[in-house]
Amino acid sequence: DTEVTQTPKHLVMGMTNKKSLKCEQHMGHRAMYWYKQKAKKPPELMFVYSYEKLSINESVPSRFSPECPNSSLLNLHLHALQPEDSALYLCASSQDLSGRGADTQYFGPGTRLTVL
Amino acid sequence: QKEVEQDPGPLSVPEGAIVSLNCTYSNSAFQYFMWYRQYSRKGPELLMYTYSSGNKEDGRFTAQVDKSSKYISLFIRDSQPSDSATYLCAMSANYGGATNKLIFGTGTLLAVQP
Repeated sequence: DTEVTQTPKHLVMGMTNKKSLKCEQHMGHRAMYWYKQKAKKPPELMFVYSYEKLSINESVPSRFSPECPNSSLLNLHLHALQPEDSALYLCASSQDLSGRGADTQYFGPGTRLTVL
Repeated sequence: QKEVEQDPGPLSVPEGAIVSLNCTYSNSAFQYFMWYRQYSRKGPELLMYTYSSGNKEDGRFTAQVDKSSKYISLFIRDSQPSDSATYLCAMSANYGGATNKLIFGTGTLLAVQP
C-alpha cells in the first residue's frame, strides 16, 4: 500500500480564518513533506519532518504552521492567508533512510485551497 | 541556470506512438532519478525510480539515465490517451545524514490523441 491521504480535498477560506490541512500515511515512513503547487508549475517544497522533528523549513511565512503529532500524521495550520496562497497543497512521505540515499517520495492527492 | 531543465511542451502525439521525455541537469552529485506522472488537479504519482546510470523497464515505460551527459529520459511505448498528463522528472543527491530534497523539473505536458 503506497497511499497517502489528505483532507479536505477542497478548502475555501477568508483571509481572517484559521483552518488546518491533514495528511496521513500508514507505510511506516519516517519522513513527511508539505509542498505547494501553483498551476503549471512543479511542486515547491515547504517543510520536511524527519522522525517527527522539523528538519527543513524553506523560509515559509509564519502564517503556515506545520505540526507532526506522530509518525503517521502531518498537519498544516493556516492563519491569515493571502489570496496569493491559493494553490494545491501536497503532502508526501518517504522512508528517510538517512545517510543511505534516495528518499522516493509518495504524494497524496492534495488539498486545493482558495483564499478569498 | 536551473539545476534541472525540462521542456514544458506541450507534446502532442497520436495513439500508439513512442514518446520520449527528457531532462538535463547540472549537479553531478545527483544519484537518484525519478519520474512522476501528474493528472490534472491530482497529486504526482511515482512512475519510475532509478539509481545511477543505466536503464530500467516497467511495462510500457523505460527510464534511462546517462550520468556522463547529465541527461535522463522516459520512454513510453504504445502510448494511450490515458497517458495524457504532465510528466515531472525529479532527482536528489545523498549528502549523508540528512533528509534529501527532491529537485523537480518544470514538467512536460503530454497529450495522446485517439
